[in-house]
Amino acid sequence: AQKVTQAQTEISVVEKEDVTLDCVYETRDTTYYLFWYKQPPSGELVFLIRRNSFDEQNEISGRYSWNFQKSTSSFNFTITASQVVDSAVYFCALSEGTGNQFYFGTGTSLTVIP
Amino acid sequence: GAVVSQHPSWVICKSGTSVKIECRSLDFQATTMFWYRQFPKQSLMLMATSNEGSKATYEQGVEKDKFLINHASLTLSTLTVTSAHPEDSSFYICSAQYRDLTDTQYFGPGTRLTVL
Repeated sequence: AQKVTQAQTEISVVEKEDVTLDCVYETRDTTYYLFWYKQPPSGELVFLIRRNSFDEQNEISGRYSWNFQKSTSSFNFTITASQVVDSAVYFCALSEGTGNQFYFGTGTSLTVIP
Repeated sequence: GAVVSQHPSWVICKSGTSVKIECRSLDFQATTMFWYRQFPKQSLMLMATSNEGSKATYEQGVEKDKFLINHASLTLSTLTVTSAHPEDSSFYICSAQYRDLTDTQYFGPGTRLTVL
């Protein structure tokens, strides 16, 4: 079974629109970490955020915000007032407390149209 | 901080040759490094996990004799694709992990390998 599901394969939005990227995870561990990475066309994965399983506080960083809800096993990512530079593939990942392996979702390709 | 470099960024080689890719953590000591492979428009596929000074742990289906991994120091891991063939053409990405409380992986910029 897929441990991390990103159901949205591709999303297109017009510049300045808000967009939410969904991430649903599955784990039996009580201690785990969730991550979001951005992969622009250049290919390098850029670390965006890490959240541990004991911290359900939502986080905001500039135009980015994350909504972590353990009740629904979701860790969604919202970009406010999207810009063309936000166009990239975004990966959600899970690291369980029992090991250090990452489980990546299949990624969501975001295109921001000017 | 937490910068990971990869060299080369791209390489084109003839079928049958071997290619070495280096992964370095520039400003931290990486207790563990990971090697991934990514096909176009697909997610990252973990190939192997390497800890400094010990043998790499390969994922199921990854040929250890074909993809040689050497984690010689806390800042350097190398992946050698031996006797490369066109089907080995892919984007190879390494990551390095500093074993703090968070286990964050920091990724290198990737190496695009094309085997003719």
